[in-house]
Amino acid sequence: NAGVTQTPKFQVLKTGQSMTLQCAQDMNHNSMYWYRQDPGMGLRLIYYSASEGTTDKGEVPNGYNVSRLNKREFSLRLESAAPSQTSVYFCASSEASLRGETQYFGPGTRLLVL
Amino acid sequence: DAKTTQPNSMESNEEEPVHLPCNHSTISGTDYIHWYRQLPSQGPEYVIHGLTSNVNNRMASLAIAEDRKSSTLILHRATLRDAAVYYCILRDPPYNQGGKLIFGQGTELSVKP
Repeated sequence: NAGVTQTPKFQVLKTGQSMTLQCAQDMNHNSMYWYRQDPGMGLRLIYYSASEGTTDKGEVPNGYNVSRLNKREFSLRLESAAPSQTSVYFCASSEASLRGETQYFGPGTRLLVL
Repeated sequence: DAKTTQPNSMESNEEEPVHLPCNHSTISGTDYIHWYRQLPSQGPEYVIHGLTSNVNNRMASLAIAEDRKSSTLILHRATLRDAAVYYCILRDPPYNQGGKLIFGQGTELSVKP
C-alpha cells in the first residue's frame, strides 16, 4: 500500500517550458488536491477534485491546469513555467465521512524554474 | 474557514511532555479542529482532530477548551522524531464539497536531546 505517490521528485525547468506533475493514490479516495509550499510558508491550495470528473480552483490557480484522469490519478500541468512557480508541490487525497476527514499527502515534487 | 493563531516556535526536551497551543476565537459551532504536522522535507501528516470532547490516539491527545475558542495538542513524551512544524486547522463540513485545508504558519517544534 503505497499511499500517495508523486513523480518526479525533483525538476529544473527554464522559463517558458512546460511540464506535468503526476500524482496517484491507491486508497480509493474520492477527493484529491494539489498544494504548493514556498520557503518558510504554509501550504496553499492550487486546485482540487472533490470526485472523479470534477475539478475546482483553490487559492492560487493561475498558471496551472489539472486533469483528474481517473479515480486514482490527478495531474498538475504548468503550460509556461515562470520563476514565481519555483516551489514544492504536494498532492493529497482524502475520503470524507460524517466523523471528519483526513488528508494523506505525497512526498512532494521540488521544482526550480530558472 | 475561521482563523487560528499559534506561536511561531517552541522548544522541548526529549522525553518530556509538550503542549502546543492554538487559539481560534472565531470558531463556528460546526468547525472541527484538526492538527497536522510536517517533518523536515516531507509532506504534512495527519495527527488528530476533534469537535468538542478531548480526543486521544496513538500519536497525541487533543484538549479542547469548554468554549472551544482554544485547543492544545499534547505530545506525552517528545522524541527527536517529533521535531516538526505543527499546524492547527479548522474544517467546516460538508467535507464532500472539497476538503480545503487552510494552512497558517504553524508552530515549529524543536526537541533537544
